[in-house]
Order: sequence, then C-alpha cells, then structure tokens
Amino acid sequence: GESVGLHLPTLSVQEGDNSIINCAYSNSASDYFIWYKQESGKGPQFIIDIRSNMDKRQGQRVTVLLNKTVKHLSLQIAATQPGDSAVYFCAERKTGANNLFFGTGTRLTVIP
Amino acid sequence: DARVTQTPRHKVTEMGQEVTMRCQPILGHNTVFWYRQTMMQGLELLAYFRNRAPLDDSGMPKDRFSAEMPDATLATLKIQPSEPRDSAVYFCASGTGGRGSLSYNEQFFGPGTRLTVL
Repeated sequence: GESVGLHLPTLSVQEGDNSIINCAYSNSASDYFIWYKQESGKGPQFIIDIRSNMDKRQGQRVTVLLNKTVKHLSLQIAATQPGDSAVYFCAERKTGANNLFFGTGTRLTVIP
Repeated sequence: DARVTQTPRHKVTEMGQEVTMRCQPILGHNTVFWYRQTMMQGLELLAYFRNRAPLDDSGMPKDRFSAEMPDATLATLKIQPSEPRDSAVYFCASGTGGRGSLSYNEQFFGPGTRLTVL
C-alpha cells in the first residue's frame, strides 16, 4: 500500500495530549460528515461519522463536533498516541448518494 | 480478517502502454469505488459500482479510462493509453448499505496501486 506525500496542514502534539483536527466544508446540503485516517503506506480507514442533525458524537477516544452555522467539523483525539500519527481526512456525503467527497487532509505527528 | 486486495501494488510503465489494475472487494460488499490520490488533487473519486452496475464514472477521463466489474469478486480499472499525468496511487474501496444508510459512510480501502508512467 502507498500514500502520497501531500502538502498538507500539519499538527504536532506531544504523546498523551489531546489533538484537535479541524475541517471546513462547503456543501451545506451534505447529510453526513465522516473522518478517515490514512497511515503511511496504507489506504484510508474509517474513524467516525456524524449525521447533519447532530452536533456531537463520541467514539473510542475520539469525538466529532459539527457546527453547521459556520460549516465547521472537528475531530478530537484524547490522549494522543504515536499510533495516531497519520493524515486525517474529513469527507461529506449527501443522502441518496453513495459517493464521498474528501477534503485535503491534515497530517498529525505525535511526538513521543 | 476480511480486506480489500489490489494488484499490482506497484506498476512502472512507459507512456502509451496499457495498464490494468485489479481489485477484489470484501465478500458480501455490494458497492465498489475507485479513487485516485495525487499530491495536487488529493483523493478523487473516479467511478463506483453498486451490485456490479456502474453508477457514476464522471470522475474518469472517458477517452482513456475504463472501469468494469466482470463479477462480484473482481473490479478492474484500465488505462489505455497511459500518460505521465496518470501517475498516482489508485485505491479501490468497497462497502455495504442502502441509499440512506449510515453504513455507506464506511468504505473499506485496499492498500492501493502506485502507478508511475514514464
């Protein structure tokens, strides 16, 4: 598997700290917002999603927040670990559509 | 541990040559997607299938790209003739779910095929 080195926004955090990755979306008609993680050399991997009628959803060590007023999505990772180092993509989907539209991604680096 | 497989993992070819990339989706998944990832464009959807029928291939250059699903266990993406600008990582993903289902949000990606066209 491969990943391509993109010129991405980057975020560096100390191991054990919390991380917040942000995403601005443009399509107010999207019904679902999704976060994917792509580790080096691998394909993207689903993390968590949220429906547009919600403003918060929690998973294991992750929380997604949605602010439709300003079209902003964030992914919070608690107690960040070295294994969290990856590129994180937000994506959008509209009800009735099968396809996702991916954002440009943010590279998270966890400093041991 | 079910996963999407792709072959080849790496392909180096010369401009003008035909390239065929293959994907085996997860057994039981009814949707298959082809993406291309580049530094400039990020992750772009090229085409996708549901129940082996093509639903959308608007992301593909029609004159040189073609995508097919000969059967439920094989999806192919072909480029003929290839050009240097086609150099990228090509991902296949599969998934399940109905049209409004949350499960459509979770796509399972393969490891990708890194294509280099000289």
